[in-house]
Amino acid sequence: DSGVTQTPKHLITATGQRVTLRCSPRSGDLSVYWYQQSLDQGLQFLIHYYNGEERAKGNILERFSAQQFPDLHSELNLSSLELGDSALYFCASSVGTGTSGYTFGSGTRLTVV
Amino acid sequence: AQKVTQAQTEISVVEKEDVTLDCVYETRDTTYYLFWYKQPPSGELVFLIRRNSFDEQNEISGRYSWNFQKSTSSFNFTITASQVVDSAVYFCALNDYKLSFGAGTTVTVRA
Repeated sequence: DSGVTQTPKHLITATGQRVTLRCSPRSGDLSVYWYQQSLDQGLQFLIHYYNGEERAKGNILERFSAQQFPDLHSELNLSSLELGDSALYFCASSVGTGTSGYTFGSGTRLTVV
Repeated sequence: AQKVTQAQTEISVVEKEDVTLDCVYETRDTTYYLFWYKQPPSGELVFLIRRNSFDEQNEISGRYSWNFQKSTSSFNFTITASQVVDSAVYFCALNDYKLSFGAGTTVTVRA
């Protein structure tokens, strides 16, 4: 157990739907990062939150949004889902900005049918 | 822009052979951190090693060792005496404000 908790582990949904992925960071970590891993794009950075504030955005689609709550857990919202959104979504946490390392959760596997 | 290149797509070895994974990176930063992660078939990302740009000392940790050469922007990783449980995808990553991952190298260790 890495200490980073992601729920759900698996999600199957239809095109056009909206889903929410949840991440609880490791105790003491203030940063949360979201990554998408797909077969054709590899591991892609989506977004970074630090202590509730958005710090950086990567290749995140406008249909996707995220937030970090006061208790530091984070949610990634994916809407108007397309087949191409099927991927493994990872959350990672770090104490600061990651120079001391990132701890990854076990991921949420999203399948859009 | 940050970039990490893992030229080897797949490596297959027989148990007890050594495996060296190549990683070349590009960055304009003078301070940066390099990582190796392992992704076994179960899918999770497991942290292996971290090295900062100021420390070019190469180390050995158990069966893992790494060779960081700033002059050639390379950060290679070696598994000594490989085991079947080492079969996984290995990712090299570079950190500035986020982790930029290479495409990964799939290592298959055959019994």
